[in-house]
Amino acid sequence: AQSVTQLGSHVSVSEGALVLLRCNYSSSVPPYLFWYVQYPNQGLQLLLKYTTGATLVKGINGFEAEFKKSETSFHLTKPSAHMSDAAEYFCAVSDSGNTPLVFGKGTRLSVIA
Amino acid sequence: GAVVSQHPSRVICKSGTSVKIECRSLDFQATTMFWYRQFPKQSLMLMATSNEGSKATYEQGVEKDKFLINHASLTLSTLTVTSAHPEDSSFYICSAFRGSGNTIYFGEGSWLTVV
Repeated sequence: AQSVTQLGSHVSVSEGALVLLRCNYSSSVPPYLFWYVQYPNQGLQLLLKYTTGATLVKGINGFEAEFKKSETSFHLTKPSAHMSDAAEYFCAVSDSGNTPLVFGKGTRLSVIA
Repeated sequence: GAVVSQHPSRVICKSGTSVKIECRSLDFQATTMFWYRQFPKQSLMLMATSNEGSKATYEQGVEKDKFLINHASLTLSTLTVTSAHPEDSSFYICSAFRGSGNTIYFGEGSWLTVV
């Protein structure tokens, strides 16, 4: 069975500071990994995903994530936080394109002016 | 634009009534769709896998007689919450698998409030 652990239910950063949201996964097969963002009272927006190939994945809004198999991690980073980045972020894993995603509990990102 | 559409986006219903939520793939055929539920300030939990032309597969703890799923065509899956109660109030979101591109797309979600 797959699982996702997001360390830190709430992360607070200053505007302009580095954003680091942690995600570790468990999977018995090569995983597909995703990061989604959810703004209040809205649906999910895909930030980026890893399936195969290059382990450093660039997404929208300046976010990127690196797949590290040895660490079973897929941490999300952004060099400089913006106020508009404040939202809930979910890491998810699946074992193929046609299987359901298993979501982490989410990390709420706050950006302080 | 959206490739998976949900309707309605928000619905309020009275306790004891049933409400249907639709999930449509707009420009592709989806043999498999997934339904999730998200309670306030919680994560998304898979409820069931909807397979076109066959019975849905429900996750443990999800009442199949309460949450009826129908996937009668390759572009439409419906979730009917029967005899709704206030504790069913939640955000319901579907996703559909697009074979070309090997990608899952999420709908915009549907907010259900049972009063």
